[in-house]
This record gives sequence, C-alpha cells and structure tokens, in this order.
Amino acid sequence: DAKTTQPTSMDCAEGRAANLPCNHSTISGNEYVYWYRQIHSQGPQYIIHGLKNNETNEMASLIITEDRKSSTLILPHATLRDTAVYYCIVRNNTNAGKSTFGDGTTLTVKP
Amino acid sequence: GAVVSQHPSWVICKSGTSVKIECRSLDFQATTMFWYRQFPKQSLMLMATSNEGSKATYEQGVEKDKFLINHASLTLSTLTVTSAHPEDSSFYICSARGTNNDKQYFGPGTRLTVT
Repeated sequence: DAKTTQPTSMDCAEGRAANLPCNHSTISGNEYVYWYRQIHSQGPQYIIHGLKNNETNEMASLIITEDRKSSTLILPHATLRDTAVYYCIVRNNTNAGKSTFGDGTTLTVKP
Repeated sequence: GAVVSQHPSWVICKSGTSVKIECRSLDFQATTMFWYRQFPKQSLMLMATSNEGSKATYEQGVEKDKFLINHASLTLSTLTVTSAHPEDSSFYICSARGTNNDKQYFGPGTRLTVT
C-alpha cells in the first residue's frame, strides 16, 4: 500500500472550515483514499473515502486532485469535538488491502 | 455505521500470565479482521490480518507464538497475549471489514497493563 504524508499538526478556529492535506504521490490506480480520525484513547473513526471523484457526507468533504497524488479533507464548520488525530490512508479494496497508518495530523480546534 | 466491540476495555495482569482480548462485529459479517497495537503518542501499528477460518498473517517483527490470533467465526476474533511482559503494555485495537471490502470499522480498543 502507498505511503502518505501529512502535516504533523494544524490549528483551526471553531466554526471555521478545517482543511487537512495529504500527499500520496505513489498511489496506484486501484487504491482508494481513506480518512479516519482518532480521539484520545479511542479507536479510529471512519470519516470518508474516495477513488477519484470528490465525495461528501454528513461529516466531511474529500477533494482528490485530478492526478490523484494528493487530497484534502474538509470539515466545513469545525467544532471543539473535532479535535483529534486525522489519518489519511490509501489502500486497495481487495481482500489483501491493509490499512497502514502513518503519523497523521493532530488537529486542534480552538474557541 | 457498523459497530465493532472489544472486551475487555482494559485489563491489568501480572508478568508471565496470558491475556485474551475479544473483538466482535455486532451487525455485519467480518470476513477480515485486523489487530493493531498503539503505544503512547504513536500511531497504530498493524500486527496481523486474519480471515475467517484461516491462519492469521503476521506483520514483520510480530511474534506469532506470542500473539495468538483466532478468527473462528464471521463475528468473532480473539487475540491472546501469551506470557505477557511489561513491554507488552499497550493499547490494542481490532478492526473488521465486511464482504464488500470498502469500509473498515474499528473497535474502541483494549488497554493492557502488565505489572
């Protein structure tokens, strides 16, 4: 599975949009981009995933560049409860696909 | 979303004893389950992957005789830490994936402390 690169930390003001970038320049054609977050001492929570089209759900939006080498997770109106470590993962959706976690981005939402 | 449970949520054991952690998918059939370990202030590290009815595949550096994984049914996987030592103290997290392979759901984790 391809590796990803994310900034170590980011701050965001409460109520503003949080834009979390991820580089995955070695992504393969059949690999999806997944985003999870982990709030302290809990298991990771699924947020969103996509292959090449932009995706939106009730939690967030995912913007994938046309060359698929990078993506951005957007939390449209960040709240204090969105403070967490956000992980960007790429993997294929076959039986052999494994989610390998990098260091993620620690997002701190400030009042 | 789908629910994955773990039991126990935390456990304290003495050095040299064995500890079993259960992982259950509550509302879907998990054809594949994963076990991760997470030390303080670090990311999750994949330990092994198991498919129902098959032997687990361990990641490099993970001792299969120390971390016994059983995936006996489509809703249950167990991780047994044998002859536990203080350095095995960690946060163990399981994850389950259904037949369509797209979403992978994580359990709440089990905090193991070996004294």
